[in-house]
Amino acid sequence: DAKTTQPPSMDCAEGRAANLPCNHSTISGNEYVYWYRQIHSQGPQYIIHGLKNNETNEMASLIITEDRKSSTLILPHATLRDTAVYYCIVRVAFSNAGNMLTFGGGTRLMVKP
Amino acid sequence: GAVVSQHPSRVICKSGTSVKIECRSLDFQATTMFWYRQFPKQSLMLMATSNEGSKATYEQGVEKDKFLINHASLTLSTLTVTSAHPEDSSFYICSARGRQGGHQPQHFGDGTRLSIL
Repeated sequence: DAKTTQPPSMDCAEGRAANLPCNHSTISGNEYVYWYRQIHSQGPQYIIHGLKNNETNEMASLIITEDRKSSTLILPHATLRDTAVYYCIVRVAFSNAGNMLTFGGGTRLMVKP
Repeated sequence: GAVVSQHPSRVICKSGTSVKIECRSLDFQATTMFWYRQFPKQSLMLMATSNEGSKATYEQGVEKDKFLINHASLTLSTLTVTSAHPEDSSFYICSARGRQGGHQPQHFGDGTRLSIL
C-alpha cells in the first residue's frame, strides 16, 4: 500500500472550514484514499473514501487531485467535537474481503472556540 | 451504518490474569476481523487478521500463544490476552469488514482499555 504524509497537527477556528491535506505521491491506479478519524479514547470512525472523483457525504468532502498524488479532506463547518486525529490511508480494493488498513501518524486537528 | 460492538470497554486486573475481549458485528456478517493495539500517543498497530472459520494471521512480533484469537462465527471474534503483564496494558481495537469486500470501508469498535496492575 502507498505511504501517506500528513502534517502532524493543525488548528481550526470553530465554525470555519477545516482543510486537512494528505500526500500520497506513490499511489497506484487501483488504490483508494480513505479517511478515518479517532476521537480521544475511541475507536477510529470512518469518514469518507474515493478513487479519483471528488466525494461528499454528510460528514465531509474529499478532494482528490487529478494526478491522484494528493487529497484534501474538508470539514465545512468545524465544531469542537471535530477535534480528533485524522488518518489518511490508501489501500488497494480487493474483490474478497481481507486486507487491513495501515495507520500512519495522522493529523491532530484542534478546533478552537 | 455498520456497527461494531466491542466489550468490555475497560478492564483492570492483576498481573497473570487472562482477559477476553469480544468484538461483534451487529448488522452485517464480518468475514474478516482485525485486531489492533494502540499505545499512548501512538498510532494503531495491526496485531492480527482473522477470517471466519480459520486460524488467525499474526503480524511479525505478535506472539500467537499470548494473544489467542477465535473467529468462530460471522458476527463474533474474541481476543484473549493470556497471562497478562503490565507491558500488555494498552488500548485494543477491533474492526470488521463484510463479505462484499472490494472498496467498502472497515468499521471499528470503540476499543478496550486494558490496564494490568
